[in-house]
Amino acid sequence: EDQVTQSPEALRLQEGESSSLNCSYTVSGLRGLFWYRQDPGKGPEFLFTLYSAGEEKEKERLKATLTKKESFLHITAPKPEDSATYLCAVRRWSDKIIFGKGTRLHILP
Amino acid sequence: GAGVSQSPSNKVTEKGKDVELRCDPISGHTALYWYRQSLGQGLEFLIYFQGNSAPDKSGLPSDRFSAERTGGSVSTLTIQRTQQEDSAVYLCASSMRTSGSYEQYFGPGTRLTVT
Repeated sequence: EDQVTQSPEALRLQEGESSSLNCSYTVSGLRGLFWYRQDPGKGPEFLFTLYSAGEEKEKERLKATLTKKESFLHITAPKPEDSATYLCAVRRWSDKIIFGKGTRLHILP
Repeated sequence: GAGVSQSPSNKVTEKGKDVELRCDPISGHTALYWYRQSLGQGLEFLIYFQGNSAPDKSGLPSDRFSAERTGGSVSTLTIQRTQQEDSAVYLCASSMRTSGSYEQYFGPGTRLTVT
């Protein structure tokens, strides 16, 4: 069965304290892995797409990496405005998108 | 506006009533997705449209749920005989289905409460 598992469920960091969020997946015919950010009361906001193992993408303090079994979202020197829920999703060969339950990130000033 | 819009933003209905939720995708986006998000849960895939056809309806929870898309644009999600377990935020997303570009752009969602 296709599955996307994110860990940890919640993470509290001090401002400037770098860390990583994990997304592990089992899916047949992976056609892309996506990271989204979701603020309370809003729809998810697209961050990155990764297609093949070894690929990396960066945006400001965020860097996403991909292996054959998992993806990491690295957050460097986070600021309070980085607080949000971060969602990982995978696209199957059939175009169906499967989301993980997310990691709630809270950055303390 | 340039983004995905959804209406209504909030809907409170009585158990057993039918509801219609509307999604206006970004102009030119050919793919449209419906998801359901319950408190503390991830996004649950409901249905996907490519143009006006729905290749994958496997996520619809029961035959009380249906969706259609007309003119390759607006989509409506209909829930008949609503139940309390249908209470959730219903999110719509659209994407431009071109090579290498499958990122989805989400609307703000419709919060459905069944009393």
